[in-house]
Amino acid sequence: NAGVMQNPRHLVRRRGQEARLRCSPMKGHSHVYWYRQLPEEGLKFMVYLQKENIIDESGMPKERFSAEFPKEGPSILRIQQVVRGDSAAYFCASSQPGQSEQYFGPGTRLTVT
Amino acid sequence: AQTVTQSQPEMSVQEAETVTLSCTYDTSESDYYLFWYKQPPSRQMILVIRQEAYKQQNATENRFSVNFQKAAKSFSLKISDSQLGDAAMYFCAYKMNYGGSQGNLIFGKGTKLSVKP
Repeated sequence: NAGVMQNPRHLVRRRGQEARLRCSPMKGHSHVYWYRQLPEEGLKFMVYLQKENIIDESGMPKERFSAEFPKEGPSILRIQQVVRGDSAAYFCASSQPGQSEQYFGPGTRLTVT
Repeated sequence: AQTVTQSQPEMSVQEAETVTLSCTYDTSESDYYLFWYKQPPSRQMILVIRQEAYKQQNATENRFSVNFQKAAKSFSLKISDSQLGDAAMYFCAYKMNYGGSQGNLIFGKGTKLSVKP
């Protein structure tokens, strides 16, 4: 059973470009969470999605950031007009309905130059 | 708001010895979950152990065990017979129990564990 998949693993963008991060949850998992990790920090919650629904986006910056989890395909975290402060590791986690544990992907390291 | 505090930025242990990592949390809720995650240099987050707040018995997974003190809001991780592969960042995390998978994890800042051969 494949784990949570994230791609790309590393992404370099220039200031002002768009970044798209993808997450495929574990088989059978319909709940997806996105977290951001700044250097020397713990992970901070961004958004929680179920298929075709955003359940909780209380951790998402109000501008430039959006997330989706379509009926078919991976969950996407989109960052428009990236700035240097967006440089971080972005982790996706998934869980089954009714399950408290969240299982993490390997993360995408975004570098904004 | 709930918070998680790990007061030890770095810890060191001799191979085969035992080490305890500390974690305290703040919440007004009575039903929640607590977790320890391991993040090795590969940066993959690995679930180590889980504790349900309404269970008094401390969770155990092989060489890993916790000391859960609900009244003190303390949740320490004990690693017995430490191995070189245990070297990693360890994060304590809290999650409210909304029923099942709802709810996000709240993480501490982590403790970097070094294992000396």
